[in-house]
Amino acid sequence: DVKVTQSSRYLVKRTGEKVFLECVQDMDHENMFWYRQDPGLGLRLIYFSYDVKMKEKGDIPEGYSVSREKKERFSLILESASTNQTSMYLCASSDWGAGNQPQHFGDGTRLSIL
Amino acid sequence: AQRVTQPEKLLSVFKGAPVELKCNYSYSGSPELFWYVQYSRQRLQLLLRHISRESIKGFTADLNKGETSFHLKKPFAQEEDSAMYYCALAYSGAGSYQLTFGKGTKLSVIP
Repeated sequence: DVKVTQSSRYLVKRTGEKVFLECVQDMDHENMFWYRQDPGLGLRLIYFSYDVKMKEKGDIPEGYSVSREKKERFSLILESASTNQTSMYLCASSDWGAGNQPQHFGDGTRLSIL
Repeated sequence: AQRVTQPEKLLSVFKGAPVELKCNYSYSGSPELFWYVQYSRQRLQLLLRHISRESIKGFTADLNKGETSFHLKKPFAQEEDSAMYYCALAYSGAGSYQLTFGKGTKLSVIP
């Protein structure tokens, strides 16, 4: 069974801090994704990566960056946290292939920026 | 651009009643559609995908290209079906496929 692990379930940071969210998958998947999930807005794609050291912007990349140095690990970075980045962050991975490959999600990190 | 619309934010039904969660999409290519479900305090997980044409937990969904819809149906709702449901469309982008999600429908099954 695919396991996607996010390093923290809950995180509280202060405005202006640099924040790192970590995600690891154990199924050798090529694709990894970061979303934020907000009530009434659904899931919105922040960044994704289809290979090591490759990254692509999603729909809402502003204020975020990512890093993928190893295939199994995909990090989301908030360069200077702001209160409007308080949200639930979901990491996902999927296998290479046609569009019918499902994405597998982690438990999420609930991030609060004070 | 691709878009997924779930018109109902909240749907309440009585136990044993039929359920239909609506999903409409807009996409110029050949659609690959999914339903994901998130139960309380659990991770988001795949419920079913249109290419599989299968029934999962009594739920089915049929792709209707003419109406650009992928509605999720179950003939008899159970209390354990209460959850957040997201419809998603896979589209081809830079290097891989990504998903566009609808805003979700919260299903509440009343005992």
